[in-house]
Amino acid sequence: EAQVTQNPRYLITVTGKKLTVTCSQNMNHEYMSWYRQDPGLGLRQIYYSMNVEVTDKGDVPEGYKVSRKEKRNFPLILESPSPNQTSLYFCASRVNRNYEQYFGPGTRLTVT
Amino acid sequence: LAKTTQPISMDSYEGQEVNITCSHNNIATNDYITWYQQFPSQGPRFIIQGYKTKVTNEVASLFIPADRKSSTLSLPRVSLSDTAVYYCLVGPQERYSSASKIIFGSGTRLSIRP
Repeated sequence: EAQVTQNPRYLITVTGKKLTVTCSQNMNHEYMSWYRQDPGLGLRQIYYSMNVEVTDKGDVPEGYKVSRKEKRNFPLILESPSPNQTSLYFCASRVNRNYEQYFGPGTRLTVT
Repeated sequence: LAKTTQPISMDSYEGQEVNITCSHNNIATNDYITWYQQFPSQGPRFIIQGYKTKVTNEVASLFIPADRKSSTLSLPRVSLSDTAVYYCLVGPQERYSSASKIIFGSGTRLSIRP
């Protein structure tokens, strides 16, 4: 089954404790992206990657890092999480020439 | 990327046809129009995409007038399960272009009543 998976689905952590949210897709898509969704602000793109070792900033990259060492994986790294990063995070993938993105189930992160 | 404007919310009843319009006055020649649906606490789901005139699939139709400055998503005979937020996106498809930076607007919150 074609899908995007994220782990963990729920995470509660404390300020400053490094964490990684994993994202994996099994569709051989070149393009992957991370979004955060907050009430009243909609979906905002954090980082995106057009292929292995090619990444770029989205609209809200501050406080986040990403890496793309393999085509299928695109982890999101929070080196020193802060409470303002409490949010619902989505990973997505697509074929480069198309806007039909496939989204993961989401990761709800709470930073206290 | 072209800015889009949609109604914040809409209400309708089961069995009715619902039309959601998106304005994109600054759409570029090579921009496509894409619509997504999102249920609470789930990732958005692709509905339909088009460039001009009319596109239809098993879920919806997309109407795009000749000037392409707006588009209308049409949902036939809606049911309660169509209650969701609908997003309109506009952007080019060229490989490695600014299409990589995708912007979702605020969307339209559609509520369907019995």
